[in-house]
Amino acid sequence: ETGVTQSPTHLIKTRGQQVTLRCSSQSGHNTVSWYQQALGQGPQFIFQYYREEENGRGNFPPRFSGLQFPNYSSELNVNALELDDSALYLCASSPTGYGYTFGSGTRLTVV
Amino acid sequence: DQQVKQNSPSLSVQEGRISILNCDYTNSMFDYFLWYKKYPAEGPTFLISISSIKDKNEDGRFTVFLNKSAKHLSLHIVPSQPGDSAVYFCAASAATGTASKLTFGTGTRLQVTL
Repeated sequence: ETGVTQSPTHLIKTRGQQVTLRCSSQSGHNTVSWYQQALGQGPQFIFQYYREEENGRGNFPPRFSGLQFPNYSSELNVNALELDDSALYLCASSPTGYGYTFGSGTRLTVV
Repeated sequence: DQQVKQNSPSLSVQEGRISILNCDYTNSMFDYFLWYKKYPAEGPTFLISISSIKDKNEDGRFTVFLNKSAKHLSLHIVPSQPGDSAVYFCAASAATGTASKLTFGTGTRLQVTL
């Protein structure tokens, strides 16, 4: 087991651009969730994927989208970046949908 | 609409003493509760959890208590150690098939002093 790995660790983008964040989960972890953590806040649920299909979504607009791949990796894509998208983005995976293991996150700064 | 609330942003406790972190929730559909610890530049690390069918769960120095009627849970750390200094998040979930999103509180920063 190698844990949950996210890349890149830090990223600076310009407003209006698009960004792709990546996550590599542990083998057997069929469920992956993405969270956004703004400064001073708790993580906010963006969406969840189970066996490559989205099966839950939080209160985020459609410009936030994702993919999950058969090799337990996943992506979070954000289009038309806004300044308020600046946050720590966390990926979490689980074999069961309950005990989630979090990655260290990607710190996104939109300028 | 903050469904999980941690009303104390910070807490300072002396080494060896008990740390008590509190959490309140409003959604009666929540049936599973978790505590995570987070160090700077790291992701949240799972500490301990409790199902709504229990009122207490213990794991070493960590004990979580659940009071369903009050919609309140607390994390007790005994004895507190300097390495426990971190931000603690309370989280709750309501199982709906295979989707079990976690709803987090805003966190409590615990400082354990020597």
